[in-house]
Amino acid sequence: NAGVTQTPKFRVLKTGQSMTLLCAQDMNHEYMYWYRQDPGMGLRLIHYSVGEGTTAKGEVPDGYNVSRLKKQNFLLGLESAAPSQTSVYFCASSYSAGVHGYTFGSGTRLTVV
Amino acid sequence: KNQVEQSPQSLIILEGKNCTLQCNYTVSPFSNLRWYKQDTGRGPVSLTIMTFSENTKSNGRYTATLDADTKQSSLHITASQLSDSASYICVVSGQAGTALIFGKGTTLSVSS
Repeated sequence: NAGVTQTPKFRVLKTGQSMTLLCAQDMNHEYMYWYRQDPGMGLRLIHYSVGEGTTAKGEVPDGYNVSRLKKQNFLLGLESAAPSQTSVYFCASSYSAGVHGYTFGSGTRLTVV
Repeated sequence: KNQVEQSPQSLIILEGKNCTLQCNYTVSPFSNLRWYKQDTGRGPVSLTIMTFSENTKSNGRYTATLDADTKQSSLHITASQLSDSASYICVVSGQAGTALIFGKGTTLSVSS
């Protein structure tokens, strides 16, 4: 049981380049989330999805887009990367929005130069 | 404003000693409070989840307490081990369906 798998683990981008981060979960969870973690700050929600084909904005959605074409996958896209998007990105999934634990991936460390 | 404040920011203890981490929150209405452990370079892993009606929940050497009246929680680690060195994050959930509010975490270092 792999849980939540994120690819890639590391990436360096030049300002203005685009990329897609992939998150895959094998737990049949309905809910999936993308967070970013910056030094000295708590995790902040970028976008989330409550089911296949649905997406919604979180606390810091600007500069990012997402898609949930399949239940098990949640993609995070950066169309034109900026240095302010240098961060560690975590994907998470959960059975519901209630009292269920989130399962986090191991993160993607992105540097934009 | 919904906030989660953790203290101390960092802590160093000797192996075998106990320690207590604090979490104060202003999230209202309150649904549940979670403690996560995050090892360096890894994603957070859930330790405990407590609803407003629960006062204490244990997970091995980790014991979380919750006082919903004062909006305070603590995580007590007993007989610390080197592997306990990590960041411990307090997370509060408001009404079902609302986003989780993450604290900044307490960095614990256990030395031999």
